[in-house]
Amino acid sequence: DAGVIQSPRHEVTEMGQEVTLRCKPISGHDYLFWYRQTMMRGLELLIYFNNNVPIDDSGMPEDRFSAKMPNASFSTLKIQPSEPRDSAVYFCASSLHGGGAYNEQFFGPGTRLTVL
Amino acid sequence: ILNVEQSPQSLHVQEGDSTNFTCSFPSSNFYALHWYRWETAKSPEALFVMTLNGDEKKKGRISATLNTKEGYSYLYIKGSQPEDSATYLCAFRPGGYNKLIFGAGTRLAVHP
Repeated sequence: DAGVIQSPRHEVTEMGQEVTLRCKPISGHDYLFWYRQTMMRGLELLIYFNNNVPIDDSGMPEDRFSAKMPNASFSTLKIQPSEPRDSAVYFCASSLHGGGAYNEQFFGPGTRLTVL
Repeated sequence: ILNVEQSPQSLHVQEGDSTNFTCSFPSSNFYALHWYRWETAKSPEALFVMTLNGDEKKKGRISATLNTKEGYSYLYIKGSQPEDSATYLCAFRPGGYNKLIFGAGTRLAVHP
């Protein structure tokens, strides 16, 4: 398996523009997680899905952020409109059988977002 | 708010030194404790998942212990090598949730 795939790897945009980040989880994994990594706050969970259904979005910063998972092999994280403080590395991770304790998460390579 | 604390924030050691760092987490509603290794410009990779009080895990020169009653875990590296340089993250999984709360990490630099 290719692992978790994220695109783009780098995104530079201007304030006010819409940004869409994409993630393909490992085939067969039923949990998908979106994280944001910043120097100030470390690795924070934004939202996670189980079987394509959002379970906990309490980490989503505000209404400008939205995430979808239309099918088991694809998820998007959208920021509209983007702001400079959204600049961060966004990671997607997936795991198998969330009910078990040993469900390690497998991380994608991340998308480095810069909002000018 | 569930707090996961890691110390020290960063550590510089010489090749061959043994080292250890700490992860503190809530002692109530414990389900699992994960350790991840995160090299610069790469993704975090799982090292250990620990669930039982008193558990000890080992992978090569790296080992970890778990005390769920007092809410801490130690990660040990024996005979550090430059390739061990990375940020080591711990993550707490509370019962009833399939989500991980990450600490800020310990950044380890091993100098030849």
